Amino acid sequence: QKEVEQNSGPLSVPEGAIASLNCTYSDRVSQSFFWYRQYSGKSPELIMSIYSNGDKEDGRFTAQLNKASQYVSLLIRDSQPSDSATYLCAVKMTGNQFYFGTGTSLTVIP
Amino acid sequence: DTEVTQTPKHLVMGMTNKKSLKCEQHMGHRAMYWYKQKAKKPPELMFVYSYEKLSINESVPSRFSPECPNSSLLNLHLHALQPEDSALYLCASSQEGAGTVGGYTFGSGTRLTVV
Repeated sequence: QKEVEQNSGPLSVPEGAIASLNCTYSDRVSQSFFWYRQYSGKSPELIMSIYSNGDKEDGRFTAQLNKASQYVSLLIRDSQPSDSATYLCAVKMTGNQFYFGTGTSLTVIP
Repeated sequence: DTEVTQTPKHLVMGMTNKKSLKCEQHMGHRAMYWYKQKAKKPPELMFVYSYEKLSINESVPSRFSPECPNSSLLNLHLHALQPEDSALYLCASSQEGAGTVGGYTFGSGTRLTVV
């Protein structure tokens, strides 16, 4: 079993819709969870971090964490074509080890 | 602009060349990392420098060698690379330590092509 799993996609949504990205992780004691956005050929950019169960909102982005289910998600409201990118889920596990998921490719269709 | 600076942004090198990738962070972070990323794949950890200790991913071939002149610099020396080493090389830093929860800050990356 991989430490961090994501659906690779591609995920396509129309402009203005909500994009929902999901991630599961294997280490039950993980405490830190991150979403990175990566445009093609560019480096990952941190867009959200979440540490407690529940929702965390920042502008059009909402991260949701459920530690009991070992599940973290990212919602993008009012999706824009500029949101088209690969979204990497990252989890900091025991020993401060970072694990990345394989990424979900998102395309927002104008 | 990023607070983790990588140079060069692009590098083309022959298989007999020796080159170096440079990475510098100005955030007082205690840990620095080198990752390799192939197209449509997640970043793969190569090296970690944390608390003056270097950790190596044992799957990384010896033609890659890291060097840490000080706590804000982590260079990657390249020698006798193969075409399959062509990738995006990412440097990152983080504030490590007990109780820290923060994520990584990545540099802009070096696009390496081995010919």
